[in-house]
Amino acid sequence: AQSVTQLGSHVSVSEGALVLLRCNYSSSVPPYLFWYVQYPNQGLQLLLKYTSAATLVKGINGFEAEFKKSETSFHLTKPSAHMSDAAEYFCAVIHGSSNTGKLIFGQGTTLQVKP
Amino acid sequence: GAGVSQSPSNKVTEKGKDVELRCDPISGHTALYWYRQSLGQGLEFLIYFQGNSAPDKSGLPSDRFSAERTGGSVSTLTIQRTQQEDSAVYLCASSLSHTENTEAFFGQGTRLTVV
Repeated sequence: AQSVTQLGSHVSVSEGALVLLRCNYSSSVPPYLFWYVQYPNQGLQLLLKYTSAATLVKGINGFEAEFKKSETSFHLTKPSAHMSDAAEYFCAVIHGSSNTGKLIFGQGTTLQVKP
Repeated sequence: GAGVSQSPSNKVTEKGKDVELRCDPISGHTALYWYRQSLGQGLEFLIYFQGNSAPDKSGLPSDRFSAERTGGSVSTLTIQRTQQEDSAVYLCASSLSHTENTEAFFGQGTRLTVV
């Protein structure tokens, strides 16, 4: 069965610093991987997705993630944090042979950005 | 509408009462999903609709939970005899199809509090 592990439930960075949110997956077949962001009292918004076209995926708001099969990782990065990036971030996977498209989520990482 | 709409946004109910949560997906989206977000369990899949049928309802936690979808559009999630552990945010998502590279769009959720 596929699963997702996000290392670190809370990450704090200073404004302008590098953002690194970690995600590792387990899947017996090539997965489809996603990062979602959730702002307070809002639904989830897709940041980026990996669907095997390219290992380095660029998303919205300056975020990107790199799929590393050897490390079973899909870490999310942003070179310079902005105050508006403070939110909760979820890594998610869809099984490569899924016929439903249901997402399996990690536990989430809350990003705090300090001025 | 422009996005996925859920109602009510907040619901407080007494233990033992039944509640209905509504989801209006994006027009033309054939796939619809319900997820539950709670402090202890994170984001969990509940049920998937393709059109009006539900080929995957494996995430429904008990027989007190049911859902239907009519006209390939609006969906209702019903919880009977609510319990305190049902308190959570219930999120609905829709997508054009169930394929893995199709983006799921989320509503803002219904926050259910059982007192």
